[in-house]
Amino acid sequence: ELQLSESGGGLVQPGGSLRLSCAASGFTFSMYDMSWVRQAPGKGLEWVSVISADGGSTYYADSVQGRFTISRDNTKNTLFLQMNSLRGEDTAVYYCARQSRTARCWDHWGQGALVTVSS
Amino acid sequence: EIVLTQSPATLSLSPGERATLSCRASQSVTSYLVWYQQKPGQAPRLLIYDASNRATGIPARFTGSGSGTDFTLTISSLEPEDFAVYYCHQRSDWPLTFGGGTKVEL
Repeated sequence: ELQLSESGGGLVQPGGSLRLSCAASGFTFSMYDMSWVRQAPGKGLEWVSVISADGGSTYYADSVQGRFTISRDNTKNTLFLQMNSLRGEDTAVYYCARQSRTARCWDHWGQGALVTVSS
Repeated sequence: EIVLTQSPATLSLSPGERATLSCRASQSVTSYLVWYQQKPGQAPRLLIYDASNRATGIPARFTGSGSGTDFTLTISSLEPEDFAVYYCHQRSDWPLTFGGGTKVEL
């Protein structure tokens, strides 16, 4: 069964750092582009970052550019999001999502990890 | 940045009724428009991709249409499990963007 499972969320002070992980199983992880999408409490969805299947290409939303770094370890079937210089507006549930190989969409999502930035 | 505007913000309907949700893009996204459904406490679920293609396992009562800047998601006859928030999303250009959502409520 295909699964994406995020971990690493929690409470962090403004200016602090956190690293999220997304463990993938049930499919050939190394063949898929992956993304992070977030959702602030009670708000809509916001794309954060994407990484190509081989890790060679990455893109970021302007709101996180220079502060967040997406990466992956295809030997461990795991996606990461390193978040530095965190701000209150980064408080959100962070989802990892798998990019479909046949269409421009995310076809599978994890259950999400809550990140709270507060003093 | 392509802005997606969804209307209405809230749709109050009863089971068995037809739901019509709109998504308008600030510039053409050709057919690269996706619809997701989200229920409270859950991750989004893929419904429609490329404007009109149903994802695997999505019932036929969900229909997507449109191209360019105007898109519609139609639920022909609401089932109890369809009450949720629906987001449109464009995959035409960076940055990838979402609409603000339409809540379909009982």
